[in-house]
Amino acid sequence: EVQLLESGGGLLQPGGSLRLSCAASGFTFSSYAMTWVRQAPGKGLEWVSAISGSGGSTYYADSVKGRFTISRDNSKNTLYLQMNGLRAEDAAAYYCAKTQTYYQNFDYWGQGTLVTVSS
Amino acid sequence: QSVLTQPPSVSAAPGQKVTISCSGSSSNIGNNYVSWYQQFPATAPKLLIYDNNKRPSGIPDRFSGSRSGTSATLDITGLQTGDEADYYCVTWDSSLSAGVFGGGTKLTVL
Repeated sequence: EVQLLESGGGLLQPGGSLRLSCAASGFTFSSYAMTWVRQAPGKGLEWVSAISGSGGSTYYADSVKGRFTISRDNSKNTLYLQMNGLRAEDAAAYYCAKTQTYYQNFDYWGQGTLVTVSS
Repeated sequence: QSVLTQPPSVSAAPGQKVTISCSGSSSNIGNNYVSWYQQFPATAPKLLIYDNNKRPSGIPDRFSGSRSGTSATLDITGLQTGDEADYYCVTWDSSLSAGVFGGGTKLTVL
């Protein structure tokens, strides 16, 4: 059974840093790209960042480019999102998603981890 | 403002059909596959349609998708009250080199 478990969310002040993790199980992690998707309270879904199975290719939404870094450790079956220079508009539930073939096909999702940015 | 445009809300009676549109451009929908997701409150989204018109196993054939030019549509037939949810389209944008979601459509089954 595929499982994705996010962790690392919390309350941060603007300008702060945070690293989210997504522990994966139930599939060959290194064979699949992974994507982070976020959702601000009461708002729609926003594609944030994706990484290829090998980790050699990474992609970012303009809203986070230069501030967020996606990475993965295939030996630990874990996906990461390093978030620096946090802004109020980064406050959201962050979901990791197993990505199938294309970077818009998410066949499994985690339960999400909440990031709050407030002074 | 989202790159992909969806109607904020749609509604129809049980048993009827509803169509949710998703409008984009040549850099996204016009040249990339579209996926659709269903999301209930406080839960993670669920894949409904991928590659424009394919259904994952377990998704009933009441849900169908199509793409024409720079627009995509999600059709839901035989509406049930349990279909009340938010629906999102998403695709890749070749100019942005990033994925882009629509703003989401809230479906109400009257």
